[in-house]
Amino acid sequence: AQSVTQLDSHVSVSEGTPVLLRCNYSSSYSPSLFWYVQHPNKGLQLLLKYTSAATLVKGINGFEAEFKKSETSFHLTKPSAHMSDAAEYFCVVRAGYQKVTFGTGTKLQVIP
Amino acid sequence: DTAVSQTPKYLVTQMGNDKSIKCEQNLGHDTMYWYKQDSKKFLKIMFSYNNKELIINETVPNRFSPKSPDKAHLNLHINSLELGDSAVYFCASSHRRDTSYEQYFGPGTRLTVT
Repeated sequence: AQSVTQLDSHVSVSEGTPVLLRCNYSSSYSPSLFWYVQHPNKGLQLLLKYTSAATLVKGINGFEAEFKKSETSFHLTKPSAHMSDAAEYFCVVRAGYQKVTFGTGTKLQVIP
Repeated sequence: DTAVSQTPKYLVTQMGNDKSIKCEQNLGHDTMYWYKQDSKKFLKIMFSYNNKELIINETVPNRFSPKSPDKAHLNLHINSLELGDSAVYFCASSHRRDTSYEQYFGPGTRLTVT
């Protein structure tokens, strides 16, 4: 069994300040973990992925995430928020090639 | 070139009608998926096909029938549409041999049932 929990449904930050979007997972197997972003009325775009290589993963647009097995976490961070980062973010866990589980999403609001 | 495309982008129809959504990928992937995203943005997998064979069939009403004519296409047919079917439907694809399991998503089809 596997599950993923996004701890915040809504995060609001000021432009230029750091972003932290939290994700915890559970999985019976070694998981692959992903962060996807969905801008309004758009499809999902992959930000970054962890697949048992380096625990600190760098993605597009300055985002990065750290896989912490002891904490079963995969939090998404960015040093400085930009207005264009405002979107819905999904943490995703996958164990085995068939099953994938999405988190419930975190809406990021960036205040000018 | 669009990697994963869906048609139509918007679909408005009345209860009781039958409709189809088409999906095509040009990535050479062998696995395709259908997801439903509800009004609260929650994404749930509905079906997964690998090499035209159904491998995931979540708890979905049998009014929903996926059809995969070939590896590049996965269409979703919905019979007797209900109000609760209103959602955004996303198609996605991946390659079974890609150990990262990365999925590529289409732009979505917004279905509104009135």
